[in-house]
Amino acid sequence: AQSVSQHNHHVILSEAASLELGCNYSYGGTVNLFWYVQYPGQHLQLLLKYFSGDPLVKGIKGFEAEFIKSKFSFNLRKPSVQWSDTAEYFCAVNAGNNDMRFGAGTRLTVKP
Amino acid sequence: NAGVTQTPKFQVLKTGQSMTLQCAQDMNHEYMSWYRQDPGMGLRLIHYSVGAGITDQGEVPNGYNVSRSTTEDFPLRLLSAAPSQTSVYFCASSFGRGSYEQYFGPGTRLTVT
Repeated sequence: AQSVSQHNHHVILSEAASLELGCNYSYGGTVNLFWYVQYPGQHLQLLLKYFSGDPLVKGIKGFEAEFIKSKFSFNLRKPSVQWSDTAEYFCAVNAGNNDMRFGAGTRLTVKP
Repeated sequence: NAGVTQTPKFQVLKTGQSMTLQCAQDMNHEYMSWYRQDPGMGLRLIHYSVGAGITDQGEVPNGYNVSRSTTEDFPLRLLSAAPSQTSVYFCASSFGRGSYEQYFGPGTRLTVT
């Protein structure tokens, strides 16, 4: 079964700093890739997803992610974070079956 | 649309007690699933269903039962609660498997003492 690794458990940034959260997965076949966000006290919601085509995908709120097949990576980026981006971010991988695997999550704290 | 709803929001059980976590969706989604969220471990799939009458096990199914008698509802049953089942439980639904976005409910925080 596929597995997902998120390298950073907790990231602390100041407003306007750039963000990159790492995500690597282990599966050799075709995958569908997702980033979900969980704001404090809220449920998970989709930030962006990739399943084919342009490996650079754009999501909501200025986030983007790049799929690099050779590195089995799907890193999340944002050029300038805001205080409202404080949340927990989850990378998820699906190998086209019914099994969705999530990473352990990265908690982002943005200081105003 | 209410989306995905879960009840209760909070629950405290004693070891050995049983209970059912309720999940309902009004989006006519075929695929529904249950996850548990534990610190440092992300979300882990417990059980899922690809349609009414069809369920299957996920990554961590032990201690949990599910059934899917209607498209809308997907309850999760704990037959004999254990402290290891203390967690936050999320129900999710989507149009299908694979590349489809999952819509999550607000979660149920369960404590087993």
